[in-house]
Amino acid sequence: DVKVTQSSRYLVKRTGEKVFLECVQDMDHENMFWYRQDPGLGLRLIYFSYDVKMKEKGDIPEGYSVSREKKERFSLILESASTNQTSMYLCASSLSGEGPGELFFGEGSRLTVL
Amino acid sequence: GQNIDQPTEMTATEGAIVQINCTYQTSGFNGLFWYQQHAGEAPTFLSYNVLDGLEEKGRFSSFLSRSKGYSYLLLKELQMKDSASYLCAGPRLGTTDSWGKFQFGAGTQVVVTP
Repeated sequence: DVKVTQSSRYLVKRTGEKVFLECVQDMDHENMFWYRQDPGLGLRLIYFSYDVKMKEKGDIPEGYSVSREKKERFSLILESASTNQTSMYLCASSLSGEGPGELFFGEGSRLTVL
Repeated sequence: GQNIDQPTEMTATEGAIVQINCTYQTSGFNGLFWYQQHAGEAPTFLSYNVLDGLEEKGRFSSFLSRSKGYSYLLLKELQMKDSASYLCAGPRLGTTDSWGKFQFGAGTQVVVTP
């Protein structure tokens, strides 16, 4: 079974703090994604990566950056957290090539910025 | 705005059938996905349609009409454990190579009552 592990289930940070959200997958997937999920808005894509050291902006990249130094790890960074970044953050991975390329999600990291 | 539209909530009784509709607008179609998300948990993959027609998987079926930009998820013989949010996901608007670049609807909350 694919396992996507997010480092923290719950975080509380203060405005202006730097926040790191870590995600690790154990099935050698090429593609990794960061989404945020808010009520009424669904999942929105922040950044994604198709390969090591490669990143592309999603629909809402402002205020975020990412890092993918190893294939299995994809980190989301909030350089200076703001209250409007309070949300549930979901990491996902998928396999390229044959098959539909469905997403495998981590359990999520609920971030509260005070 | 949302590229993917689905109803916000649906209520049905145990043993009944519920159909969740999803409409999308895209020029770079590479398949339509359905995910299930229980409260407080990660979304999990349910089904994938890339050709027109009905795909059946036990109590769950998914239908696609590419010409109409329309899909539905059919849940039969509803059980209490089917109470969850159901997410429709398709290619992001404006993408031609949509591999892995999904856009999600806001989700349909299905409430199953005794």
